[in-house]
Amino acid sequence: TQLLEQSPQFLSIQEGENLTVYCNSSSVFSSLQWYRQEPGEGPVLLVTVVTGGEVKKLKRLTFQFGDARKDSSLHITAAQPGDTGLYLCAGAGMEYGNKLVFGAGTILRVKS
Amino acid sequence: SAVISQKPSRDICQRGTSLTIQCQVDSQVTMMFWYRQQPGQSLTLIATANQGSEATYESGFVIDKFPISRPNLTFSTLTVSNMSPEDSSIYLCSVNAGNTGELFFGEGSRLTVL
Repeated sequence: TQLLEQSPQFLSIQEGENLTVYCNSSSVFSSLQWYRQEPGEGPVLLVTVVTGGEVKKLKRLTFQFGDARKDSSLHITAAQPGDTGLYLCAGAGMEYGNKLVFGAGTILRVKS
Repeated sequence: SAVISQKPSRDICQRGTSLTIQCQVDSQVTMMFWYRQQPGQSLTLIATANQGSEATYESGFVIDKFPISRPNLTFSTLTVSNMSPEDSSIYLCSVNAGNTGELFFGEGSRLTVL
């Protein structure tokens, strides 16, 4: 059982559509991060959320941290082909030491 | 930020051989992390490498199979020993980026074992 359940696993949409990726846990995290990884590259940090209920926007991407700091969502508005990639959520907390707990990932494909 | 360079970026190896992956960081860091990733899947932590001490391995990973060196604060190597096709994967080096656990990653080393 994954500590961080990420859904959906795979998403294929048309350019211009909206989408939401979810990251859920029964554990509380002190912070939660979202990464995007393109083929042949390492994951790149998009955002970190640390406060329950926090909402952060990065252009067309909106990230939300749940009030109880157990879940997070990533919403993309008007998806572009350049958004294609693997999206990973990762949680940090005292009980995990210096290590991040990663979700299983969501493969997003945006077709033009 | 940190710039992380990994070598090789990809390699095709024969079963039973060993391959050493190098990771160079452009700044001094206390901890370096080695991950394994099956294509299109999430990351699994292999070990944490601290300078001047033995690496700390996660469950399912052992030093004999994945020996790690950390000779200074900017460099580490991961060796995949006695390789089998099951070791075919992407191996990623990473370092902490901030005080909330964020990571910077190298571009990864894609290993194919025949």
